[in-house]
Amino acid sequence: SQKIEQNSEALNIQEGKTATLTCNYTNYSPAYLQWYRQDPGRGPVFLLLIRENEKEKRKERLKVTFDTTLKQSLFHITASQPADSATYLCALFGGYQKVTFGTGTKLQVIP
Amino acid sequence: SQTIHQWPATLVQPVGSPLSLECTVEGTSNPNLYWYRQAAGRGLQLLFYSVGIGQISSEVPQNLSASRPQDRQFILSSKKLLLSDSGFYLCAWSMTGFDSPLHFGNGTRLTVT
Repeated sequence: SQKIEQNSEALNIQEGKTATLTCNYTNYSPAYLQWYRQDPGRGPVFLLLIRENEKEKRKERLKVTFDTTLKQSLFHITASQPADSATYLCALFGGYQKVTFGTGTKLQVIP
Repeated sequence: SQTIHQWPATLVQPVGSPLSLECTVEGTSNPNLYWYRQAAGRGLQLLFYSVGIGQISSEVPQNLSASRPQDRQFILSSKKLLLSDSGFYLCAWSMTGFDSPLHFGNGTRLTVT
């Protein structure tokens, strides 16, 4: 069966350091992968999309990599700030417009 | 610009009562529409998605149902709520296409007592 795993439920990091979150998937052949941010009590907000032919994508302090051989995406936040504290979710397109989310990683940036 | 409206924001319902949650999208046409549920501290579970009026795909067999009576309206219903139906319900839309991001509503917090 198809699975999307974000292998850290929670990640604590010191302010100013780089946070790295992992998304692994099985039984998918995605053409693209998306990352979202979710704050408590709110709906997720789209951050970045990376396509299978793009090894890396950047947006300000965010960087996403996509390795279709390893079936893994890494999400990096450089120079992390307390305001980056949130839950981060990866999402995959599973065919016919179906979008499935990983379990999420709760990031806490400590001042 | 496009907006998504979801209501109510919170709802407390007794076990066995019916449910109707409504979601509407403005500023776009023929969107893909989605219902997700999130249990406390858990990930998003896809419940239903729709690529057009009257076209509903169900992901989880349960006592919930969805309908899309109009192009930009998506309704989540139940005839009889269970305690296990409690959770945070999120509606989302996306443009037609394989790489369009999802845009979420503010969610409905449902507590079944």
